[in-house]
This record gives sequence, structure tokens and C-alpha cells, in this order.
Amino acid sequence: TQLLEQSPQFLSIQEGENLTVYCNSSSVFSSLQWYRQEPGEGPVLLVTVVTGGEVKKLKRLTFQFGDARKDSSLHITAAQPGDTGLYLCAGWRAGNMLTFGGGTRLMVKP
Amino acid sequence: DTGVSQDPRHKITKRGQNVTFRCDPISEHNRLYWYRQTLGQGPEFLTYFQNEAQLEKSRLLSDRFSAERPKGSFSTLEIQRTEQGDSAMYLCASSLSQSADTQYFGPGTRLTVL
Repeated sequence: TQLLEQSPQFLSIQEGENLTVYCNSSSVFSSLQWYRQEPGEGPVLLVTVVTGGEVKKLKRLTFQFGDARKDSSLHITAAQPGDTGLYLCAGWRAGNMLTFGGGTRLMVKP
Repeated sequence: DTGVSQDPRHKITKRGQNVTFRCDPISEHNRLYWYRQTLGQGPEFLTYFQNEAQLEKSRLLSDRFSAERPKGSFSTLEIQRTEQGDSAMYLCASSLSQSADTQYFGPGTRLTVL
């Protein structure tokens, strides 16, 4: 059982559609991050959310941290083929260990 | 571009052999992390260094695994007597200690144990 559960695990949509992916845990995190990873590459940090209820926007991507700092969501508006990749959430707890979720693999078809 | 680099990018070995991977962090970064990522999963923390000191190790780091960062710059991860279950992508990341939540990942070394 992973500390951070991501859903859905796989998502295949058409270009222009909207989507939301979720990252849930029963544990509280001091901060939570979202990464995107492409095949054969390491994860690239997209955003860090720190405050419960915080919302951050990055162009067509909207990230939200739950009020209780146990969960987060990533919403993509008008998805494009370039958004295709593995989206990972990761949380910091006490100490210096970053814990990753299992990832959501997104495919956006033209 | 002076990002995190890893060598080799791919390694195929036979069960029972030893392998060693190298990670070169971003030059001014004093923290260096190793993760393992199996197919379809997120990365799992293995260990991290602050300068040359290894400060934390995961339970995943069995006694067949050893990591070093002798001069506080590059790091090596050695796996002795490899097993098929060691097949994975081994990722290295680096950061500054004062902004440890911003880690920069290398491209990884993909290990296949036959």
C-alpha cells in the first residue's frame, strides 16, 4: 500500500478535453509537489503547494492542496498532446524523505 | 547545460554480477539523493547525502547496495550480486540544503538483470 494514492492510474483523452487527477493520503504532509516525467527521463518539478487550501496555476494547469494537507488535485484545461506523460505527486513529511505516489499516466490524442 | 548527469544510461547484466552507477549533481548542490523506480510506479527513496555524509537510508537499501560520495561531489551506487528484482530505473537528484524541496533529477540509469 502506497502512502500516496493517485487516481486514475491511466487516462487517455482527446485533445481539447479537460481532466483532473487526484492524489490522496491518510497522512498529513508539510508540502506536496507535482512532477511530470517523460519516458527515459527523470521527473521535472511542476509546482510545490504548502498551505492547506492553496491553489496554484501554471498556464492551463491548476493545482490544489486540500484543506487538511492530506490530498491534492491537478486539473488540466484544454489538454494538448504535449501534456502527455506520467504525472507524479510527492509529499514531504518530517525528515528529508520525499514520498512519491504511483503516478497517473496521461495520453492526449490529437 | 549543467544539470544532473548519470552514467551509464543503460546497463544490462547477468544475475550475480556487480554493477556501479555514477551521478554527477549540479555543481553547487550539496545534497544528493538516490531513488529507484520500477515500471509503472513512482520513484522510491533509497538514500541521501549532505556533502560527503550519508544521512539517511531507506529499508529498501539492502546490504547488497552501497552508496558513496567521497568528496561531496559525484556519487556512486553499487549493487553487489545483482538479482532480477533489482531491475529498475535508478534516479539521482540534487538540491541545495536551504531549498531541499526543489530537487533536480537526472535522466536515470536503467538496469536490466537477466
